[in-house]
Amino acid sequence: EVMLLESGGEVVDLGGSLRLSCVASGFSVGGYAMAWVRQAPGRGLEWVAAISGSGGATFYADDAEGRFTISKDVSKNTLYLHTTHLRAEDTATYHCAKGFDFGDYWFEPWGPGTLVTVSS
Amino acid sequence: IVLTQSPATLSVSPGESATLSCRASQTVGRNLAWYQHKHGQAPRLLIYGAFTRATGVPARFSGSGSGTDFTLTISSLQSEDFALYYCQQYNNWPPLTFGGGTKVEI
Repeated sequence: EVMLLESGGEVVDLGGSLRLSCVASGFSVGGYAMAWVRQAPGRGLEWVAAISGSGGATFYADDAEGRFTISKDVSKNTLYLHTTHLRAEDTATYHCAKGFDFGDYWFEPWGPGTLVTVSS
Repeated sequence: IVLTQSPATLSVSPGESATLSCRASQTVGRNLAWYQHKHGQAPRLLIYGAFTRATGVPARFSGSGSGTDFTLTISSLQSEDFALYYCQQYNNWPPLTFGGGTKVEI
């Protein structure tokens, strides 16, 4: 069964850093595009970052550019999101998601998410 | 590309049909997906390519449209269908964009 499970979310101070992880099972992260999508409390889904199947290309929302880094470790079958200079508005549940097929940037499945709370 | 979903909330009774709209600020061709999201759970892909149902999605879910105007129709709503629904475009990006969502409630 293809599954994703995020971890690493916690309460972090304003301006702090955090690394989120997403362990994949049932497929290789090296074969698919992957993405991080977040949902702030009371708000809708917001795309944060994506990485190509080969890992050679990365893409970021304007708000994440320069602060967040998406990467993947094929040997650990894990997707990461390294977040820095965290702001109050980064408080959200962060979901990882698998591209539908190689080169696709619509997503299935998704993980249940990990909660990041940025505290001032 | 901005995606505008309407209505924000749709109140329907079980067994009735629901029609959800997603309008794009510029054409996205047929590069549009629909997701269902229940609180505390992982979002679930329903439709991609504007009208292709994902594996395991019941036939009561159907997508239509192209260009800038899209519709997700849920016929004969079941209790498990009450959730939030989002559209997403992948035609012209970055950024990948989602609509603001439609809540389907009893």
